[in-house]
Amino acid sequence: GAVVSQHPSRVICKSGTSVKIECRSLDFQATTMFWYRQFPKQSLMLMATSNEGSKATYEQGVEKDKFLINHASLTLSTLTVTSAHPEDSSFYICSAQMGSTEAFFGQGTRLTVV
Amino acid sequence: QKEVEQNSGPLSVPEGAIASLNCTYSDRVSQSFFWYRQYSGKSPELIMSIYSNGDKEDGRFTAQLNKASQYVSLLIRDSQPSDSATYLCAVSGSQGNLIFGKGTKLSVKP
Repeated sequence: GAVVSQHPSRVICKSGTSVKIECRSLDFQATTMFWYRQFPKQSLMLMATSNEGSKATYEQGVEKDKFLINHASLTLSTLTVTSAHPEDSSFYICSAQMGSTEAFFGQGTRLTVV
Repeated sequence: QKEVEQNSGPLSVPEGAIASLNCTYSDRVSQSFFWYRQYSGKSPELIMSIYSNGDKEDGRFTAQLNKASQYVSLLIRDSQPSDSATYLCAVSGSQGNLIFGKGTKLSVKP
């Protein structure tokens, strides 16, 4: 299957700082990328849909000013968690799709805010 | 609101048995259906995709789709302890995204 690379895989940051997570589709052009968050023992929760060259569409309850998403090219989308707080600690996962076919997931980023 | 429903489990089966995972969806116009496996602390990985009614087999895995009943299932034959994971059903949404169920936790006992 297609390869989606997510970086970093694990990050620990201090409360109040910002963290950037990168998601790259390595062998295909992803017109749409998705960002998910998963708390322990819970299901994937879609945060936002990122379309190349346009503003991301955020799900209800997700603060767009806190979770900044940029999708500047067909192979790269970034999620920046601004002014992170301990409650933002979670597993963040990106996925990329080719049209409306299967989604391929990045490895995920374990964010811990201390 | 479009929904994908799965029994959360845990579903426990003995090694070598058939594990049967079920999923129903609410959007009748959905066209694409997927099963993902997620190990604890890892991101989901695609196991099977199915687009038309009937069965689709890949090794020990068989996906079954019944669009009239809005039902999709995954059978795992000769279950192994390494199959123990959470299995996510996903259905295509109207905006190109995938709508995920909450997942069924499968435990295969040696």
